[in-house]
Amino acid sequence: DAKTTQPPSMDCAEGRAANLPCNHSTISGNEYVYWYRQIHSQGPQYIIHGLKNNETNEMASLIITEDRKSSTLILPHATLRDTAVYYCIVRDGGTGANNLFFGTGTRLTVIP
Amino acid sequence: KAGVTQTPRYLIKTRGQQVTLSCSPISGHRSVSWYQQTPGQGLQFLFEYFSETQRNKGNFPGRFSGRQFSNSRSEMNVSTLELGDSALYLCASSRLPTTFEAFFGQGTRLTVV
Repeated sequence: DAKTTQPPSMDCAEGRAANLPCNHSTISGNEYVYWYRQIHSQGPQYIIHGLKNNETNEMASLIITEDRKSSTLILPHATLRDTAVYYCIVRDGGTGANNLFFGTGTRLTVIP
Repeated sequence: KAGVTQTPRYLIKTRGQQVTLSCSPISGHRSVSWYQQTPGQGLQFLFEYFSETQRNKGNFPGRFSGRQFSNSRSEMNVSTLELGDSALYLCASSRLPTTFEAFFGQGTRLTVV
């Protein structure tokens, strides 16, 4: 699996968009980008995944660059409940999500 | 629908003992995985089961084992507990091994004294 690089921490003002970057420069053609988050003392929560097109769901948007070497998770209107550690994971599409290798993630703090 | 259920939520054991943790996946989910989370090592994959067969295993010693039953429920066992086994043990389930979205339980916090 391709290695990912994320900033260790970020702050975001409540109500503003939170943009969390992830670098995955060694990603291969059949590898997907997944995002999970973990709120303190809870199990990780799936957010979104994508291959090469931008994706949006009720939680977030995922923007993947054309060369697929990096991506950005966007929380459009951050709330205090979005304070969590966000993990960017790259995984082969045939492997699925139940065998994930989590890195250190980005600790997002939403500030009132 | 009910989420992934892990029991017990908290557990205190003594060094040298063994422990069994239980995970009930979401109804209809047949793939179950286990993870260990510690402050020092972060979230690490332990093993994955599907149809009562172990599909993948992480880099953990043989003291860590697991199994899956015909109803997809899973157990993991740690024998000869060490202080370093103190961790949050998380179970995740998905419909199939190739499904993109996995659902995690709240975890079992194991403390070894």
